[in-house]
Amino acid sequence: GIQVEQSPPDLILQEGANSTLRCNFSDSVNNLQWFHQNPWGQLINLFYIPSGTKQNGRLSATTVATERYSLLYISSSQTTDSGVYFCAVDTGGFKTIFGAGTRLFVKA
Amino acid sequence: GAGVSQSPRYKVAKRGQDVALRCDPISGHVSLFWYQQALGQGPEFLTYFQNEAQLDKSGLPSDRFFAERPEGSVSTLKIQRTQQEDSAVYLCASRRGVNTEAFFGQGTRLTVV
Repeated sequence: GIQVEQSPPDLILQEGANSTLRCNFSDSVNNLQWFHQNPWGQLINLFYIPSGTKQNGRLSATTVATERYSLLYISSSQTTDSGVYFCAVDTGGFKTIFGAGTRLFVKA
Repeated sequence: GAGVSQSPRYKVAKRGQDVALRCDPISGHVSLFWYQQALGQGPEFLTYFQNEAQLDKSGLPSDRFFAERPEGSVSTLKIQRTQQEDSAVYLCASRRGVNTEAFFGQGTRLTVV
């Protein structure tokens, strides 16, 4: 089945810093989403981005489907950005496969 | 409803007890998914429904796990004779259709003692 790898596994930032999170996947995908799991466990939708580039405030994402990767950019990080960021993909079937996540801690 | 709703939020079960976890998807969403998330891990697929039909149950870890969605809306995940390794957060998600965005509920944290 499809493999999803996220990097880095852990990231510590000073408030105000920028960062890039990466998601590599091993096969063509029909769907790709980025989620933020907050400290209370809620998975919050960030982007639905099987291809192309999208921006939402301080966050933006780019998926290059032909090269099988996606990037999530966080600019001017805030302490509320802390949590786990997941990339999730599926190949048009029924299973959505999650990566192991990037654990982000933003220091004040 | 406005979002995916799961209940209960927390459940403590004694080993050997049966439990039932409920998921109310977003109104009109055809697709419904259950996931299991162990501490420090990403969510793992359990099963998928399209309307009332269970099209994929390959992720259910044993025959003690059973899911249903009899009227194509609310779904129940049942775990019989719970064991300690069943302790996890159980997440439900729904989608309007196949190639659309998935939305997750807040999850049910199950602790088996």
